[in-house]
Amino acid sequence: AQSVTQLDSQVPVFEEAPVELRCNYSSSVSVYLFWYVQYPNQGLQLLLKYLSGSTLVESINGFEAEFNKSQTSFHLRKPSVHISDTAEYFCAVNSGGYQKVTFGTGTKLQVIP
Amino acid sequence: DTEVTQTPKHLVMGMTNKKSLKCEQHMGHRAMYWYKQKAKKPPELMFVYSYEKLSINESVPSRFSPECPNSSLLNLHLHALQPEDSALYLCASSQVDYNTGELFFGEGSRLTVL
Repeated sequence: AQSVTQLDSQVPVFEEAPVELRCNYSSSVSVYLFWYVQYPNQGLQLLLKYLSGSTLVESINGFEAEFNKSQTSFHLRKPSVHISDTAEYFCAVNSGGYQKVTFGTGTKLQVIP
Repeated sequence: DTEVTQTPKHLVMGMTNKKSLKCEQHMGHRAMYWYKQKAKKPPELMFVYSYEKLSINESVPSRFSPECPNSSLLNLHLHALQPEDSALYLCASSQVDYNTGELFFGEGSRLTVL
């Protein structure tokens, strides 16, 4: 069985400050890990993914996440947030059964001007 | 621009109405999904089609009826819904072969049941 925990339901942060959104997963086998972003009244968009190889993955808009197998974590970070980063962020895990991806409960990132 | 297109974007219906949600993708994906998302919650899986055949039904009430006419299209037929069925309905697609679980979502159809 696989599961995902996002402990922070909301994270307020001032513009241009750094942010970390936490994600921990549980799985007995190898995993694929994802961060999706959802802007208001929109669908989910893939932000970044870990499939294999380098444990540090980056997105085109400055986010990065590091796969830590020993801590079973895949935290999302950005060194300087922008107002436009305000959105809901979902961590997701897939441990082999492509049809059943497990989503975390989401973290609302609120960037304060 | 999303490569998964959902129509309509908004739908209001009464409990006795029959309506349909439509989804189309042109990425050559052979797996398509319906998810339901309530406010401030993660998406919940409803149905999965693989090679146009229903492979997963997550014990969804029969008032929701999915259909996959071909590899590019996915419909969700709605009949006799309840107000608690009001939600954002998301369509997604993915590869089947060498699939990692990466999903490509549409922008959703916002359903309100009166």
